[in-house]
Amino acid sequence: AQSVTQLDSHVSVSEGTPVLLRCNYSSSYSPSLFWYVQHPNKGLQLLLKYTSAATLVKGINGFEAEFKKSETSFHLTKPSAHMSDAAEYFCVVSLPDTGRRALTFGSGTRLQVQP
Amino acid sequence: DAGITQSPRHKVTETGTPVTLRCHQTENHRYMYWYRQDPGHGLRLIHYSYGVKDTDKGEVSDGYSVSRSKTEDFLLTLESATSSQTSVYFCAIRPGQGSGANVLTFGAGSRLTVL
Repeated sequence: AQSVTQLDSHVSVSEGTPVLLRCNYSSSYSPSLFWYVQHPNKGLQLLLKYTSAATLVKGINGFEAEFKKSETSFHLTKPSAHMSDAAEYFCVVSLPDTGRRALTFGSGTRLQVQP
Repeated sequence: DAGITQSPRHKVTETGTPVTLRCHQTENHRYMYWYRQDPGHGLRLIHYSYGVKDTDKGEVSDGYSVSRSKTEDFLLTLESATSSQTSVYFCAIRPGQGSGANVLTFGAGSRLTVL
């Protein structure tokens, strides 16, 4: 079985300060991991993905995430927050050979960016 | 959201009436999914399809049925809508092969209100 836990339901930062959104996963196999972003009243958009290549993954809009197998973590970071980053972020885990099975979503972290 | 459209985008209905949501894709992806999104629950899988006429239940399938008679269309039906099915419904597609095999692409969502 696989699961994913997003450790913070809400994160608030000031514009220009670093962003850290935390995600821990549980999987019996080497997983694929993803971060998705959802802006208000929109669908989900892929930010970045890890699929067993480089452990530091760069995504869109300056975001990156580091896969740490020893810590079973895949935290999302950005050096400097922008107002447009305010959104909900979802960490997602799947097995490498997902086949028919779907991906497992975390419960989401809402990021607020203060001016 | 390129390649995937949901209809209707908004619907208000009364308890006990049937409702059908449609997901249409132009990407020829094998896998299609229906999720519901509710505050505090993230995204929960209702049903998914791994090919024409091949479907399976997700974690919250009670009260829902699906059909996929063509690759491009995946229908979600609420036979007799209840207030607990008030939610935002998202369709997603996934190739199942190639470098983006596990990457989901989401529709813009369908907001359903059951009075």
